[in-house]
Amino acid sequence: GQSLEQPSEVTAVEGAIVQINCTYQTSGFYGLSWYQQHDGGAPTFLSYNALDGLEETGRFSSFLSRSDSYGYLLLQELQMKDSASYFCGGNTPLVFGKGTRLSVIA
Amino acid sequence: DVKVTQSSRYLVKRTGEKVFLECVQDMDHENMFWYRQDPGLGLRLIYFSYDVKMKEKGDIPEGYSVSREKKERFSLILESASTNQTSMYLCASSPNRGYGYTFGSGTRLTVV
Repeated sequence: GQSLEQPSEVTAVEGAIVQINCTYQTSGFYGLSWYQQHDGGAPTFLSYNALDGLEETGRFSSFLSRSDSYGYLLLQELQMKDSASYFCGGNTPLVFGKGTRLSVIA
Repeated sequence: DVKVTQSSRYLVKRTGEKVFLECVQDMDHENMFWYRQDPGLGLRLIYFSYDVKMKEKGDIPEGYSVSREKKERFSLILESASTNQTSMYLCASSPNRGYGYTFGSGTRLTVV
């Protein structure tokens, strides 16, 4: 089977750093993706890790360790607009975790 | 920018009706996907297609079928709508099978 596990909720303070973890069990793993979804909106692609290591895109970074079947999304300098749900996804076609709802508080 | 357009934002249908959800993408992507999204369950894959005329079942295909007669259009069909198919339906397309998906805005379907 294919499954990805991530925390259901995370709360963090504006300006802080937050890490959202994702562990997976998938066959034929091809890499780990991250998507952001605001309430009422469509999921939007954030990042993709095909290889082990850290990928950085502005305030967002994503990490993958294949040997540990683990990855994370790191959000720095949190802003209120970062309040959203974040999904990790793996395999092909994409199978998603159930999502982590991030609340950024003042 | 890639655009994935879903024909309806909100739909209300009666139990037993045949329902068509349309999805069109404008970037010549080979790969298209249908997901449903429910609170606490995340996004679950219903069907996908890697080429015109090709379709494959995802994790929850029961009660659904799809059609892909043209590369840009991927339709989801509920053969006989039931209340447990009330959900948000999301279409996506991608140049890659495993990443870089672009999602449409979704269709919120209510079956009464």
